[in-house]
Amino acid sequence: EDKVVQSPLSLVVHEGDTVTLNCSYEVTNFRSLLWYKQEKKAPTFLFMLTSSGIEKKSGRLSSILDKKELSSILNITATQTGDSAIYLCEGRTGNQFYFGTGTSLTVIP
Amino acid sequence: ETGVTQSPTHLIKTRGQQVTLRCSSQSGHNTVSWYQQALGQGPQFIFQYYREEENGRGNFPPRFSGLQFPNYSSELNVNALELDDSALYLCASRDPSGGETQYFGPGTRLLVL
Repeated sequence: EDKVVQSPLSLVVHEGDTVTLNCSYEVTNFRSLLWYKQEKKAPTFLFMLTSSGIEKKSGRLSSILDKKELSSILNITATQTGDSAIYLCEGRTGNQFYFGTGTSLTVIP
Repeated sequence: ETGVTQSPTHLIKTRGQQVTLRCSSQSGHNTVSWYQQALGQGPQFIFQYYREEENGRGNFPPRFSGLQFPNYSSELNVNALELDDSALYLCASRDPSGGETQYFGPGTRLLVL
């Protein structure tokens, strides 16, 4: 059964800390893995990783895909209170889309 | 703002009723996907439409059906509502020629009593 598992389920850190969020995927005919940030309702796109593009970076956020371990990490450095959100990982295969349950990140001032 | 809108924002129905949720995609986005997100869970893929045809479906029963129209709008219809259908329903649109990035609407919160 195809699935995506995220860990930890929740995380509380202080401003300025660095956090690492994990996503493992067991997806037949893997096509891509995407990271989203969900603050209120609509998830907003952060990164997409494929077998041909395994590392992405944007400001304080970066993500790496480990094809061997079938996993990905999302790093956030120098966290800010505005980073508080649920971070979702999505695995794609063909025309199927699998989300993890998300990691709830709370950044305390 | 993603340019994707959904209506209504909230809806209350009773068990056994039918509901239609609407999504208006970004212009030029001929692919739309629908998701169900229960409280505390990640989105669950319901189905995807491409050029008005369903071309992918998750593990949802046939009482979940959809339509996509030439004007980049789409509908999610749910018949014989059950209590467990209470959730946030999200649509997301993309232009496949522009890559994998999809843009989510704000969602419709459905409560089934």
